[in-house]
Amino acid sequence: EIVLTQSPGTLSLSPGQRATLSCRASQSVSRDYLAWYQQKAGQPPRLLIYAASSRATGIPDRFSGSGSGTDFTLTISRLEPEDFAVYYCQHYVTSLWTFGQGTKVEIK
Amino acid sequence: QLQLQESGPGLVKPSETLSLTCAVSGGSVSTSSYYWAWIRQSPGKGLEWIGSIYYTETTYYSPSLKSRVTISSDKSKSQFSLSLTAMTAADTAVYYCARPNSYASYSFDYWGQGILVTVSS
Repeated sequence: EIVLTQSPGTLSLSPGQRATLSCRASQSVSRDYLAWYQQKAGQPPRLLIYAASSRATGIPDRFSGSGSGTDFTLTISRLEPEDFAVYYCQHYVTSLWTFGQGTKVEIK
Repeated sequence: QLQLQESGPGLVKPSETLSLTCAVSGGSVSTSSYYWAWIRQSPGKGLEWIGSIYYTETTYYSPSLKSRVTISSDKSKSQFSLSLTAMTAADTAVYYCARPNSYASYSFDYWGQGILVTVSS
């Protein structure tokens, strides 16, 4: 079973700064099946990125994804006030889905 | 526009069975090549995939919950359901239904709003 480990647990940044979030898989995975979500309090998660680097419909281009093998990154180029939230990575393989434990991006 | 809506009890007693339903509108659970899924989130915790059902009604479950979970679908009502037996306090969570999109790396592109289920006597 693949385990996804996200780091850091919490990222304290100011609006306008760049955020770099990491997702590490316990074994090499296909980048075709790696996704990122944003979740705000009291809301369901929102899909941001799929296939490691493809933005979902309506997602601003300040969000970007990269990586391959075991290491994947979500980058928010310039944080907007609405970007402070919890972010999850997720992987799919042969009808099994796995989530990372999340990274909270909070206002410094 | 696809919409998903969970329904079911908000309170379940320990050892009882939880039954939730997800109503799908703007689409159909019988649409070819699509899965439908249940995901939960314990208070203050991360997301946990519970299981999925394919449009063929083939089911897939999390290894950690497999012995207690059953997911089924009702194509005539365009809904799918979750049954989780032997509930304990550890199963207290917000339960979401969601759609993995086979055309977007099986990521979850549509979600219900979630339903909070508390396990307590």
